[in-house]
Amino acid sequence: DAKTTQPNSMESNEEEPVHLPCNHSTISGTDYIHWYRQLPSQGPEYVIHGLTSNVNNRMASLAIAEDRKSSTLILHRATLRDAAVYYCILTNSGYALNFGKGTSLLVTP
Amino acid sequence: NAGVMQNPRHLVRRRGQEARLRCSPMKGHSHVYWYRQLPEEGLKFMVYLQKENIIDESGMPKERFSAEFPKEGPSILRIQQVVRGDSAAYFCASSQSQGAVHEQYFGPGTRLTVT
Repeated sequence: DAKTTQPNSMESNEEEPVHLPCNHSTISGTDYIHWYRQLPSQGPEYVIHGLTSNVNNRMASLAIAEDRKSSTLILHRATLRDAAVYYCILTNSGYALNFGKGTSLLVTP
Repeated sequence: NAGVMQNPRHLVRRRGQEARLRCSPMKGHSHVYWYRQLPEEGLKFMVYLQKENIIDESGMPKERFSAEFPKEGPSILRIQQVVRGDSAAYFCASSQSQGAVHEQYFGPGTRLTVT
């Protein structure tokens, strides 16, 4: 699976929108873009995934660039409970997920 | 519907002992995955199993590690003759089907400490 690049850390104020970027310039046509997050001392939690079109669910939105070389996870109103490490993962197999270092999101009141 | 369950949550073993980690997937899920997370690192894939079959064990060390998912009962990750470098958090995940469109549901992990 192709690699992704994410900022090490980001900070947001509570109740503000958060845009978490991910670069994946070597993405292949069959790679899906998945986002997971991991709260402290917990297992990862699925957030959202997409292939080409933007996606929305109850947790977040995923905006995918037209050339698919980058994507952005959007949390519409950050809460303190959203403080976690967010992982952007490409996969075409669906099972051997490659969790890199992710982006550590700090949310301040 | 109960989520993925792992036990024990914490396990302490002395060097040379055996560690057995158990994972019960979500109800209705027949695909199980094991990952290992070393301190300050992301999760690394170890093995993918379906009932009674190992599908891909490319991420698992060839020696001392084994995994099974029997017809009845939980999936087991077994580490023989543990060494200090095995200290890590081990996560199990499950999914209803396999493929890039399917998300994985993770358990809370087992934190193994080797003394």
